[in-house]
Amino acid sequence: NAGVTQTPKFQVLKTGQSMTLQCAQDMNHNSMYWYRQDPGMGLRLIYYSASEGTTDKGEVPNGYNVSRLNKREFSLRLESAAPSQTSVYFCASNGRWTGNEQFFGPGTRLTVL
Amino acid sequence: ENQVEHSPHFLGPQQGDVASMSCTYSVSRFNNLQWYRQNTGMGPKHLLSMYSAGYEKQKGRLNATLLKNGSSLYITAVQPEDSATYFCAVYGGATNKLIFGTGTLLAVQP
Repeated sequence: NAGVTQTPKFQVLKTGQSMTLQCAQDMNHNSMYWYRQDPGMGLRLIYYSASEGTTDKGEVPNGYNVSRLNKREFSLRLESAAPSQTSVYFCASNGRWTGNEQFFGPGTRLTVL
Repeated sequence: ENQVEHSPHFLGPQQGDVASMSCTYSVSRFNNLQWYRQNTGMGPKHLLSMYSAGYEKQKGRLNATLLKNGSSLYITAVQPEDSATYFCAVYGGATNKLIFGTGTLLAVQP
């Protein structure tokens, strides 16, 4: 099992550009999450998907959109990137049998100039 | 407002010492408390979960206790490979999601 995979690992954007961060899990988990992590701060939830076909806003959703493409894949889109979106983005997943334990991907390091 | 706070923010014990860290939380609804470890450049990894005050859990050299509004985590005989950031996360709040603290950075001196 690869667990949770994310692409790309690194990305540099100019202000106003758009991009999509990809996430996939092979653990048959129902729920998937997108977090951002900034220096000196904990992880903050951007969006989550409790099950295939549903998505909901988290703590910091502004400037982002998500798509739960199927049970395995959950993508995060920045339509018009801003310097404030410079961060490390983590995707995570969990299943009904994992006791709320979340499994995280390796992260995408995004810089917006 | 739901929040989780850590103490201390940084620990620098000598190899072989006991590292002690804690977190306190304030959430509207509590389900469980989890500890995660994050190595530099990687995603967090779940260590353990606890469900009610007084709950204690041991996992290898890790010992954790759940208190009324917080948790303590002890790592005995710390090794350089234990160096990482340790996060406390509470599952709860109005939307029943994980709420993370800012973490304790552990740097073991060889």
